[in-house]
Amino acid sequence: QQQVKQSPQSLIVQKGGISIINCAYENTAFDYFPWYQQFPGKGPALLIAIRPDVSEKKEGRFTISFNKSAKQFSLHIMDSQPGDSATYFCAASMRSSASKIIFGSGTRLSIRP
Amino acid sequence: NAGVTQTPKFQVLKTGQSMTLQCAQDMNHEYMSWYRQDPGMGLRLIHYSVGAGITDQGEVPNGYNVSRSTTEDFPLRLLSAAPSQTSVYFCASSYRDPTRDSPLHFGNGTRLTVT
Repeated sequence: QQQVKQSPQSLIVQKGGISIINCAYENTAFDYFPWYQQFPGKGPALLIAIRPDVSEKKEGRFTISFNKSAKQFSLHIMDSQPGDSATYFCAASMRSSASKIIFGSGTRLSIRP
Repeated sequence: NAGVTQTPKFQVLKTGQSMTLQCAQDMNHEYMSWYRQDPGMGLRLIHYSVGAGITDQGEVPNGYNVSRSTTEDFPLRLLSAAPSQTSVYFCASSYRDPTRDSPLHFGNGTRLTVT
């Protein structure tokens, strides 16, 4: 019940296309859903986050879509660029979880020029 | 500000050896944590601390010890290294509880190989 399942494991998208990464969870007590971006040789960094009281959050070319009834959320990258090539992690947490954030298994995204 | 600094960047150990991975942050963050990253497994929480003198276990604490004597430092000790501990280790800090919209700031990792 504490897991966050992420797919696909890897993704190749043409420059200018839309990249979509999906995550699913079981625990309905989760109330915070961040996405982290990691470049090779670096630690992850927060990209965008959402709470379940909204269905969508957009920051520039990055959008989180949230479906509370299906217990799924996804990251959309519009007009994907080679600089977006990185590993993306979804995550989930709840305020009663003693400060723990549960991460998905990661998606390695490659944008072809 | 240097952010979160981890040392060493690379380490090779023999089975049974012990060592300490260092982590320091200069952002006056209350929350600090250690994760390990393995292919196909994502990031798994080893131990975390919500303030100096307070530590708690994460998902995969066995074989690791931590202490938090100061706000700045959060070392991770491997007591008797095993090949299963071969991984990339990340230290992360946050201004407050990261489940309350406070982002985690990660270091650049320590790549550990146990032979």
